[in-house]
Amino acid sequence: SAVISQKPSRDICQRGTSLTIQCQVDSQVTMMFWYRQQPGQSLTLIATANQGSEATYESGFVIDKFPISRPNLTFSTLTVSNMSPEDSSIYLCSVRPGTDTYEQYFGPGTRLTVT
Amino acid sequence: AQKVTQAQTEISVVEKEDVTLDCVYETRDTTYYLFWYKQPPSGELVFLIRRNSFDEQNEISGRYSWNFQKSTSSFNFTITASQVVDSAVYFCALRILTGGGNKLTFGTGTQLKVEL
Repeated sequence: SAVISQKPSRDICQRGTSLTIQCQVDSQVTMMFWYRQQPGQSLTLIATANQGSEATYESGFVIDKFPISRPNLTFSTLTVSNMSPEDSSIYLCSVRPGTDTYEQYFGPGTRLTVT
Repeated sequence: AQKVTQAQTEISVVEKEDVTLDCVYETRDTTYYLFWYKQPPSGELVFLIRRNSFDEQNEISGRYSWNFQKSTSSFNFTITASQVVDSAVYFCALRILTGGGNKLTFGTGTQLKVEL
């Protein structure tokens, strides 16, 4: 399995500001994803982070609100832009180590509260 | 479209009881993967098992066992002799391979409380 770390682990932010969340994996992985878990809810895929190209966003999520970078095979960032209280959630990085690996692992999450 | 249903929102048991968490899925694809994850109060999501649609063999890992039945589109999870440390939210998830095959569709989760 892959060991995934996220920074920050939690943050409290003011509305209208932006926060960048970092995801670091201890080994090169093929696929990296960003999920959101709103309070008391299930997980929803925001986007697939593609190395060297633009992320692939799911319906309801747009690049202007959630810009994503993936400069290499072990690192990705998710920015939550122009935040509102509705963005208060846990944001989780997820990885699938290889193209022939079907297990999928999640990072510890970033708990974001927007006031 | 894919869907995962976990009808049990919350289950409470006394330690040492056996408990089964239900998961029913919907997909038109013939090739897919099913997952169970555990989310303890600390919040991280712990991978428990992955099962592909071609393999209907039940699996046992210690106190955990999984019953996959394609005929009823179910992938149920049983904890034998439950312990307080099993208290967590458990999520069932489905992944299909068509349309890019990247998205995990999660159920709404079952909160398991194991009490002394």
